[in-house]
Amino acid sequence: GAGVSQTPSNKVTEKGKYVELRCDPISGHTALYWYRQSLGQGPEFLIYFQGTGAADDSGLPNDRFFAVRPEGSVSTLKIQRTERGDSAVYLCASSLQGKLFFGSGTQLSVL
Amino acid sequence: KQEVTQIPAALSVPEGENLVLNCSFTDSAIYNLQWFRQDPGKGLTSLLLIQSSQREQTSGRLNASLDKSSGRSTLYIAASQPGDSATYLCAVRIQGAQKLVFGQGTRLTINP
Repeated sequence: GAGVSQTPSNKVTEKGKYVELRCDPISGHTALYWYRQSLGQGPEFLIYFQGTGAADDSGLPNDRFFAVRPEGSVSTLKIQRTERGDSAVYLCASSLQGKLFFGSGTQLSVL
Repeated sequence: KQEVTQIPAALSVPEGENLVLNCSFTDSAIYNLQWFRQDPGKGLTSLLLIQSSQREQTSGRLNASLDKSSGRSTLYIAASQPGDSATYLCAVRIQGAQKLVFGQGTRLTINP
């Protein structure tokens, strides 16, 4: 596809469960970002990849959150032992020359 | 710590009016500033990107200005249309980092 693709679009899980959120960036974009957006707020930075490596993970809130990008394309955000406070829209973006292109996000609901 | 503030939080105007959305940031050491549009349930669409050395950017009916020294940017929308209804977000990229710091957004409603 032409844009950033995120799956699933919605994920409902129970407190304490493990979840994985997937991001397919635009082909050829080496930079990839994860952001989290709570209702009525702007997106908050989680992690930035340049190629396969996490160049900046300063936004990850705690060690329950982890992200990988093993081949420098698709990325997976992993959340262990989910908590109700993790409920939010998780946005992925890829970048070319500084301009970010966002996916539609994954709405995560932790019950 | 960079903080970005957008005023107003919500704005409702009749169709055809020209309007201005405001964005302020606390640290002037920015690399660039972007304005995004977000429709309900959708991701963000980049509207305009202003490099720190630039004063403004224009695209169609949109014009964004940047005053780095005062920590302010404005997004001007001319001849507003109902299709312009959305949330508009301002984000700054700080020098030496790749991440963007976002404001909370302005929810704009254009009434036919």
